Order: sequence, then C-alpha cells, then structure tokens
Amino acid sequence: AQTVTQSQPEMSVQEAETVTLSCTYDTSESDYYLFWYKQPPSRQMILVIRQEAYKQQNATENRFSVNFQKAAKSFSLKISDSQLGDAAMYFCAYRSVNDMRFGAGTRLTVKP
Amino acid sequence: EADIYQTPRYLVIGTGKKITLECSQTMGHDKMYWYQQDPGMELHLIHYSYGVNSTEKGDLSSESTVSRIRTEHFPLTLESARPSHTSQYLCASRPGGAEGYTFGSGTRLTVV
Repeated sequence: AQTVTQSQPEMSVQEAETVTLSCTYDTSESDYYLFWYKQPPSRQMILVIRQEAYKQQNATENRFSVNFQKAAKSFSLKISDSQLGDAAMYFCAYRSVNDMRFGAGTRLTVKP
Repeated sequence: EADIYQTPRYLVIGTGKKITLECSQTMGHDKMYWYQQDPGMELHLIHYSYGVNSTEKGDLSSESTVSRIRTEHFPLTLESARPSHTSQYLCASRPGGAEGYTFGSGTRLTVV
C-alpha cells in the first residue's frame, strides 16, 4: 500500500523568508499524482499545488513551488516570501488510480 | 466560493442519538469521499463512492453508513452516536483525471 510521510510535524518561518516542507512517499506505480493541501485553522482545506508524476518539470503556483524527485520519491513544497496568511496545516497527498493518501501534516507557523 | 456544501457546520448531540451529516456538490463529480479528522491531525478515509449506488468502506473502521442515491448528494449517518465519534468530518469530491479533491468546510461533531 502506498504511504505518505511528512517528517516535520511543525515548522516555523519568519515573514518574507522561504521555507521548505518535506514529503516522501512509497509506491511501486509509475503513473500517479501528488498534491499539497493547505488547511488554515477552522477553515476549509484547499489545494495549493499539483504535480503529475510523468512531468519532469516542477510545478509552480506564484509563491509556491515543488521539488519533485521521482527516483527518490520525494515531493517537497517551497514557500517563498512567506506571509502571515500562509500559517496553516499543510498536507502532502498521493493519488494513483484509486484514492488519495495523505501524510500526517506539517503545522507551519509564520512569525511577524 | 464553495462548490461542495456540508451541513451542519457544528453539531452537539447526546449519546445514542441518530444523526445524518449532509454533503452536496454542484460540480457533477462522480467520486465522493468522507474523511474523519481530529483537529490539526491526519485524515482518515471512512467511506467513498465512485458513483450512484456505489459505496465502499475506507481504511478507518467506522460505525457510520453512507448512501449515494443522487450524484450530487452523499450523506453520512451515525445510527447511535457515542463520545468516541467526536471529531471533524470532511466531505470531498473529485472528477476523473489529474484533478485533486475539492473539500467541504467540514462538520465538527461533539457527542456528549
């Protein structure tokens, strides 16, 4: 079964600085999708960024970018120019044909 | 602007009561999911559906049941609520292909 591991339960970043959240996964499949979701306190879970495994180019969405290393099964999220509104739980997720598997989450704190 | 709606947003009920958590989506997605999540913790899949009249149990053993009579509607029912059911319940849906989930705002359930 596929597993998703987020080894950093908590991370902290200074406003305007850059932070990287780690994610590794285990799979024997070659075709799959990877996602990062953001869950602010008491608010809706929203999709931050998506990566298709067959694409070598790393996905980018404004201040958010990923470092996708398929051979290493690594999918880290980089947040540049961190803002106070980036404070949230971040979940890494893996999906193949079947359902999504989520990591345990990383709580990001942004210090003013 | 949410295209997937969960009601109620918060619910406090007594032990032994029967409750139904509602989830509806307006996007025409075939695939719908229910997750249980303690605040700030990982998500656990409890039920999913790939279409009308199709329902399956997820990874987490649950005493709840679901139905899928219409594409847009995927309610979750607890026949006899217990304090151990106290948690947040998240509904999600997705289309086929590379798209990720769209999540509802969740129902925070407290059983006293």
